[in-house]
Amino acid sequence: DGGITQSPKYLFRKEGQNVTLSCEQNLNHDAMYWYRQDPGQGLRLIYYSQIVNDFQKGDIAEGYSVSREKKESFPLTVTSAQKNPTAFYLCASSRPDSSNQPQHFGDGTRLSIL
Amino acid sequence: AQSVTQLDSQVPVFEEAPVELRCNYSSSVSVYLFWYVQYPNQGLQLLLKYLSGSTLVKGINGFEAEFNKSQTSFHLRKPSVHISDTAEYFCAVSEDTGFQKLVFGTGTRLLVSP
Repeated sequence: DGGITQSPKYLFRKEGQNVTLSCEQNLNHDAMYWYRQDPGQGLRLIYYSQIVNDFQKGDIAEGYSVSREKKESFPLTVTSAQKNPTAFYLCASSRPDSSNQPQHFGDGTRLSIL
Repeated sequence: AQSVTQLDSQVPVFEEAPVELRCNYSSSVSVYLFWYVQYPNQGLQLLLKYLSGSTLVKGINGFEAEFNKSQTSFHLRKPSVHISDTAEYFCAVSEDTGFQKLVFGTGTRLLVSP
């Protein structure tokens, strides 16, 4: 079955350390997204990519970086500049050709500070 | 820019009772509307979507929603809930701009008790 795989499921970060969250999809979708979820705040968009080798900042991009070298993969790096990284991170994908296409989500990565 | 308001952060109900989860949106252009469900430590799953046509939309698990353009609302309903419906529900809106960029509400936690 097609879907989105996020790994690891749980991740711990030390002070001053960069960590990378993996997101892989086999849905043949061009568009991919990263969201941050905090209790009571819903989902907030970090970065999105409409096509390979192109990506745009979302609403809360500071302290994060991404790459899109392959259609299937959209890894997110949480840098040491992100002072409050503890959250649940969700990756999603969709067809980009219309704003009426639903997004498909992975099962998330929970990041905590050691 | 579009926005979504889910006024109820938590809705407690008894099993087999009806439920309505409220969602209001704001946008200056045409929109598409979505409801997603999230079970603990999982990603989001699409419940239903309104794109055009009939204002009453039926989704999975017996849920339905009604689009009301004059009241800018898209409330989710189920006539009889089960314990297994306990989850967090998110309303989301996408403006008809040619590329899908979802804006989410803050979520409503549905608590079903026996």
